[in-house]
Amino acid sequence: DVKVTQSSRYLVKRTGEKVFLECVQDMDHENMFWYRQDPGLGLRLIYFSYDVKMKEKGDIPEGYSVSREKKERFSLILESASTNQTSMYLCASSFGQIYNQPQHFGDGTRLSIL
Amino acid sequence: AQSVTQPDIHITVSEGASLELRCNYSYGATPYLFWYVQSPGQGLQLLLKYFSGDTLVQGIKGFEAEFKRSQSSFNLRKPSVHWSDAAEYFCAVGAGNTDKLIFGTGTRLQVFP
Repeated sequence: DVKVTQSSRYLVKRTGEKVFLECVQDMDHENMFWYRQDPGLGLRLIYFSYDVKMKEKGDIPEGYSVSREKKERFSLILESASTNQTSMYLCASSFGQIYNQPQHFGDGTRLSIL
Repeated sequence: AQSVTQPDIHITVSEGASLELRCNYSYGATPYLFWYVQSPGQGLQLLLKYFSGDTLVQGIKGFEAEFKRSQSSFNLRKPSVHWSDAAEYFCAVGAGNTDKLIFGTGTRLQVFP
């Protein structure tokens, strides 16, 4: 089974802090994704990566950046955290073509910005 | 661009009753379709997927879904719901003209004993 592990289940940070969310997958998947999940809005794609050191903007990249130095690890960075970034963050991975392969999800990080 | 709609935000059923969750998509050709389930405090788990072929797809946990091209729908069904099925369900669509899956806004299922 694919295992996608997010480093923290719950995280509390202060406004203006630089925040790092880490995600690791163990199935040698090429593609990795970061989503945020908010009630009534479903999943919104922040960034994705289809290879090491490659990144593509999703639908809501503002205020975020990502890093993929190794194939198994994909980090989401909040450059200067703000209260409107309080949310559930989900990491996912897949192989092959992004549009026709299922994505495998971690358990999420619930981030609160005070 | 493709889109996906889950018209029901919240559904309540009694344990043992049948279930149908609706999903409608918008795309000119045959899309790739997925259903996921998210239990409280968990990530999303794949229930089933449709790529081509037989329009009735069987998944895990006793779920099935039927692709109806004429209605642009991919509804999820289960003949008898268990209390453990209470969760949020997401439909997703992928198409060859874009590098992502589009997720619906989800349907929250509540199950009464």
